[in-house]
Amino acid sequence: ETGVTQTPRHLVMGMTNKKSLKCEQHLGHNAMYWYKQSAKKPLELMFVYNFKEQTENNSVPSRFSPECPNSSHLFLHLHTLQPEDSALYLCASSQGPGQGQGANEKLFFGSGTQLSVL
Amino acid sequence: GQNIDQPTEMTATEGAIVQINCTYQTSGFNGLFWYQQHAGEAPTFLSYNVLDGLEEKGRFSSFLSRSKGYSYLLLKELQMKDSASYLCAVIAGGSYIPTFGRGTSLIVHP
Repeated sequence: ETGVTQTPRHLVMGMTNKKSLKCEQHLGHNAMYWYKQSAKKPLELMFVYNFKEQTENNSVPSRFSPECPNSSHLFLHLHTLQPEDSALYLCASSQGPGQGQGANEKLFFGSGTQLSVL
Repeated sequence: GQNIDQPTEMTATEGAIVQINCTYQTSGFNGLFWYQQHAGEAPTFLSYNVLDGLEEKGRFSSFLSRSKGYSYLLLKELQMKDSASYLCAVIAGGSYIPTFGRGTSLIVHP
C-alpha cells in the first residue's frame, strides 16, 4: 500500500466514450502527477499539479483533460480517445518542489489504470 | 533534454548478485532515483543518490558517479521475488520532476 489509490484498475472504452480516471492520495503531499506507461517505452510525464495548480502540461492532446479539485484528489477525463492511447496510466504524488532536498521529490505511485481503447 | 539509458532485460540466478547499470546525459544534475515495479503493480521507491559513492540498504545498494554520468543498482542474494522491472530516474535542469529511463526487466530463475 503506497498511500495512493487509483480507480478503476482496468478500463475498456470505445473511441466515442467519455470516462474518467480517479486518483486519491492519503500522504499529505502537495504535488500530484499523471504518467503514461506504454510497453517498451519510458514512463511519460503528462501533467503535474502543485498545490492544486497545473504546473506542467507535457504537450498532451486535448482529449486528455486533468482536474485537481484539491491537493488530495486528481482526475483524468478521457474523451474521443484513439487506440494508440491504450496504456497503463499511473498517478503519483510527492511532497512537492522546494520542500527540502531532492530525496523529498521521490514519487509515490498508485497501481495504475490499465486502459484499452477499442 | 535528458538521455537516460539502461539495459532492456537481464537474467540472473537465485542467490546470485546482479548489477543493473544506468547512464545519463543531463545538465544541472540534482539526483538519481531507482524504483522497482512488479508486473501489474505500482513502482516503489528503492534508493536516492545525489553525492558520489555507494548507498547500502539491506540486499540493495546504489552507486553514483556524477563525473561519469553513471549509476548502478546492486542486488545481492537474489530471490525469486526480485523479478521485476527496475526504473532509473534523474532530476536535472532545475526541475524537481524526475525523467525516467525505459526500465530494466530482471528475471530471476532457480
